Amino acid sequence: AQSVTQLGSHVSVSEGALVLLRCNYSSSVPPYLFWYVQYPNQGLQLLLKYTSAATLVKGINGFEAEFKKSETSFHLTKPSAHMSDAAEYFCAVSFHTGGFKTIFGAGTRLFVKA
Amino acid sequence: DVKVTQSSRYLVKRTGEKVFLECVQDMDHENMFWYRQDPGLGLRLIYFSYDVKMKEKGDIPEGYSVSREKKERFSLILESASTNQTSMYLCASRRQGAGQPQHFGDGTRLSIL
Repeated sequence: AQSVTQLGSHVSVSEGALVLLRCNYSSSVPPYLFWYVQYPNQGLQLLLKYTSAATLVKGINGFEAEFKKSETSFHLTKPSAHMSDAAEYFCAVSFHTGGFKTIFGAGTRLFVKA
Repeated sequence: DVKVTQSSRYLVKRTGEKVFLECVQDMDHENMFWYRQDPGLGLRLIYFSYDVKMKEKGDIPEGYSVSREKKERFSLILESASTNQTSMYLCASRRQGAGQPQHFGDGTRLSIL
């Protein structure tokens, strides 16, 4: 079965430190992969997406993610955390053979300490 | 910029009421979705529509129905509201295609008393 797992429901980093949010997927067919961010009392916004063009994907606000097929992973990173990065982050996957459905991970809440 | 507008940010209703949640998108997207979001459970798909008057059940359709009479509007209906339907409801739209990102509204926080 196809699924998405985000490791860690909560991650805390200091301002200026590296941000690493983990996402693994399970699939027997090539996936499309997405990261979304949700700020308090808002809907989700697209951070970046992987659609097979390049394995390292750059997104908005200095975030990037690398698709590693051998590890079935799509981890999100940012070299230096900012207070404004505090939010909930969702990894999501869809498949060209999967119809219309997108599968979302349970989310990781990022806390940034001053 | 794509705009997905949900009619209410906050809504309080009573058990047994029929509740309508409205969603409008302005980018001529073919696909539209309704999710509910609960702490620790992420987003769960209630219904989606791949075109006008077309709909498919998602993972948790029980107690809900939908309507899509026009391309830009997708309505979620709680036939007889119950307290376990208290949640955040998110509407999204996207262009046809699994590789297309979804665009979300700001959500409706619904409380059923």
